Amino acid sequence: DAKTTQPTSMDCAEGRAANLPCNHSTISGNEYVYWYRQIHSQGPQYIIHGLKNNETNEMASLIITEDRKSSTLILPHATLRDTAVYYCIVSPHTGNQFYFGTGTSLTVIP
Amino acid sequence: DGGITQSPKYLFRKEGQNVTLSCEQNLNHDAMYWYRQDPGQGLRLIYYSQIVNDFQKGDIAEGYSVSREKKESFPLTVTSAQKNPTAFYLCASSIDDSEQFFGPGTRLTVL
Repeated sequence: DAKTTQPTSMDCAEGRAANLPCNHSTISGNEYVYWYRQIHSQGPQYIIHGLKNNETNEMASLIITEDRKSSTLILPHATLRDTAVYYCIVSPHTGNQFYFGTGTSLTVIP
Repeated sequence: DGGITQSPKYLFRKEGQNVTLSCEQNLNHDAMYWYRQDPGQGLRLIYYSQIVNDFQKGDIAEGYSVSREKKESFPLTVTSAQKNPTAFYLCASSIDDSEQFFGPGTRLTVL
C-alpha cells in the first residue's frame, strides 16, 4: 500500500510556483522521499528525491519538514508542459518497493 | 526514458492467448521492474529482478511470468490465466535499487 497521502488534483497559473504537498507520517528513518511525474500515456519521469535536507535540481525543489512527516515539491515557474500527475513515494534508498498511489493531477492554466 | 525501450507501443491480442512484452535497456542497470497501470490508478508492481537469472514477485504477479537471461532484457509474458490483462504496462530499471527510470510503456488490449 502507498505510504503517502496527496491531494487528488490542483491547479496552478502558468508562470507561478506550483507547490505540491505530500503527507508521509509513517516514514521510517531509512526511507527517502521520491517524486515522479507522469504525463498522460507516458512512463513516469524521475524528478527529485531526498532524505531530510531540502534538495534542489534543475527541475524542482523538495522541502522536507524537520519531523519528516510531510514534504512539498515546488516547481518554481510552472509551464503548460508541467501538467501531469505527480507521485510522492517513500522508499528505502536500497529497496525496490516503490508504491505509486494515485498522485496529484496538476493542471497548469494559461 | 531514452535508455529503456518497450515495444510495441500498442498491442492487441485475442482472449486466451499468451503475449510477451519486451523491455530492453542499455543503461547497464542491474535492477529491472514491471508495473501495471489501470485507468485513473497508480502503478502496481508485477515482478522485479535485481540481477541476471533472479527475479521476485511483486504485489500482483498472478497470471504473469518473466525471465532475466540477459542484463539488458526483462520480458514479461501475460498468460491466459491473467483475468483482466487489458492495461498499460511499464518497465523500469535502476542502477542500485534507488531511483527508477521508466520506459514509454506498452498499452495491451485483449479483445
